[in-house]
Amino acid sequence: QVHLVQSGAEVKKPGASVKVSCKTSGYTFTGHYIHWVRQAPGQGLEWMAWINPNSGATNYEQNFGGRVTLTRDTSTSTAYMDLRTLKSDDTAVYYCARVRVGGVPGDGFDFWGQGTLVSVS
Amino acid sequence: SYELTQPPSVSVSPGQTASITCSGDKLGDKYAFWYQQKPGQSPVLVIYQDGKRPSGIPERFSGSNSGNTATLTISGTQALDEADYYCQAWDSTMGVFGGGTKLTVL
Repeated sequence: QVHLVQSGAEVKKPGASVKVSCKTSGYTFTGHYIHWVRQAPGQGLEWMAWINPNSGATNYEQNFGGRVTLTRDTSTSTAYMDLRTLKSDDTAVYYCARVRVGGVPGDGFDFWGQGTLVSVS
Repeated sequence: SYELTQPPSVSVSPGQTASITCSGDKLGDKYAFWYQQKPGQSPVLVIYQDGKRPSGIPERFSGSNSGNTATLTISGTQALDEADYYCQAWDSTMGVFGGGTKLTVL
């Protein structure tokens, strides 16, 4: 069965960077785009970016001002989200999610990681 | 940038029908997706491509999308349906979420 398992909670100071991992299993990693979505405490979902695990191509929400970088390691079926120059309002739960349809960037997210809390203080 | 608007809250009595709307410019020209999120849990896809249900999602969940509005309908609402619901669409290859609707079953 499909699983997305994320790395553990992080506490960072303003200006620092954080790298969150999303280890996948149960399907062909290179066959489905991976997206990252975040949720600030008590707030809604915010789409951040996607990566094509096959080619490494990426697409980012412009509001992050180039502070986000997505990478992947096909040998371990793991996706990574790197967020730099952290601010207090980056405090949120960060989720990775798999696109339901193989080979396309935009469809529903059928499997989600458990979330990683990043606290910036 | 593209925006999706949802009512902050919807209330429904058990056994009744709940409707949650999601509005966006020409949303009917795009696919709409709906997610259910319970406290402390990751979101769950309940409707994809406007009105299709993933396996394991009860038949009481349905969706439609036309004009500027997508609607999630829950028929015979149960207490366990109490959750936050988010609509989502694609603006080209950029994802957009609505602000979320808290569904209260009382």
